Amino acid sequence: AQSVTQPDIHITVSEGASLELRCNYSYGATPYLFWYVQSPGQGLQLLLKYFSGDTLVQGIKGFEAEFKRSQSSFNLRKPSVHWSDAAEYFCAVAAGGSARQLTFGSGTQLTVLP
Amino acid sequence: EPEVTQTPSHQVTQMGQEVILRCVPISNHLYFYWYRQILGQKVEFLVSFYNNEISEKSEIFDDQFSVERPDGSNFTLKIRSTKLEDSAMYFCASKLNPNSNQPQHFGDGTRLSIL
Repeated sequence: AQSVTQPDIHITVSEGASLELRCNYSYGATPYLFWYVQSPGQGLQLLLKYFSGDTLVQGIKGFEAEFKRSQSSFNLRKPSVHWSDAAEYFCAVAAGGSARQLTFGSGTQLTVLP
Repeated sequence: EPEVTQTPSHQVTQMGQEVILRCVPISNHLYFYWYRQILGQKVEFLVSFYNNEISEKSEIFDDQFSVERPDGSNFTLKIRSTKLEDSAMYFCASKLNPNSNQPQHFGDGTRLSIL
């Protein structure tokens, strides 16, 4: 069965600093990978997705992620964090089957210091 | 941009009561999902629905749960006899078609509190 690991439960960065959130997945076939962001009291907003092709994918709000098959990783990055980026970030992999339901990691809570 | 909408935003129910959570998926989407997130835990898949029947379900989705698309726009999750451990945030999601290249779009969730 597929699984997703986000090793960092909580990360604190200063505004303007760079950010990298780690994600490792386990899946037997070609993975379909996603990053979602959840602000307090809000739903899950899609940041970016990887299906195939270029391993560096660009998303909304200045985020990007790089798929590394050899490391089974899909880390999220942003060169300069803004205070509004404070939220919880979830990595997910789409499972097999026609429905392609998502398996989520446990999330990384991002705090941004002024 | 079209959105998935969920009502109510917060539902408080006595243990043992039935509860229905409602979702309006994006209008041209064909695949529908329910997920839940117990406080402090990860988001977990419950069930997917396509062509008026359940496509896949997790082990969480037992006989207490059911889903329905009663009309052309709503997608509901019913819990027949709620338990304390059903307290969670429930998210509805929809996807355009079975093609896996389509992402799922999520609603803002319904927070279910069982007393």
